[in-house]
Amino acid sequence: GDSVTQMEGPVTLSEEAFLTINCTYTATGYPSLFWYVQYPGEGLQLLLKATKADDKGSNKGFEATYRKETTSFHLEKGSVQVSDSAVYFCALSPNQAGTALIFGKGTTLSVSS
Amino acid sequence: DGGITQSPKYLFRKEGQNVTLSCEQNLNHDAMYWYRQDPGQGLRLIYYSQIVNDFQKGDIAEGYSVSREKKESFPLTVTSAQKNPTAFYLCASSMGTSGRAETQYFGPGTRLLVL
Repeated sequence: GDSVTQMEGPVTLSEEAFLTINCTYTATGYPSLFWYVQYPGEGLQLLLKATKADDKGSNKGFEATYRKETTSFHLEKGSVQVSDSAVYFCALSPNQAGTALIFGKGTTLSVSS
Repeated sequence: DGGITQSPKYLFRKEGQNVTLSCEQNLNHDAMYWYRQDPGQGLRLIYYSQIVNDFQKGDIAEGYSVSREKKESFPLTVTSAQKNPTAFYLCASSMGTSGRAETQYFGPGTRLLVL
């Protein structure tokens, strides 16, 4: 079945460092891909998404490109801030209406000043 | 403001007790979902509903029950059959009709603890 694999954390960075969180997927067909962020004690918020191969999703300085040839959707940010400390989830949608998302296990990011 | 509300924020369950978690949305979404989150395990699907009066089991439905009598509401009951209910429970909704790129919107969550 469909699945998502994320790099394990925690990831610890200093402020202004470059961030990469790896995400690869296994899916039949052509899924849509998402990154969600969860701040402590809160629900998940959509960070960015991409719906087809070579699409780039971007938001708040974060970017991810849908790479069909490598089945990847790595999250990047050029300069992280302390406020980016959170748990990041990669997810895919099998593109059937009303079908639940399939999530990776999450990667905890901790940024220090 | 449109969104998803969950209540209560914290819930305590005694041995052998059934408890119900509330989820309400005013986004006019057809589809709603319940996930369970445990440390280091990501989110696992409990139940989902694509339309009123219909719902399907997810990956870990045992010990849980749901109802979908109204479009806006999708309550989750944690029954006494669920032997390890301590977790963070997240409710979500999506349009349910768009097909591709079904963005899900999440509520703030309910943390369930066993006394």
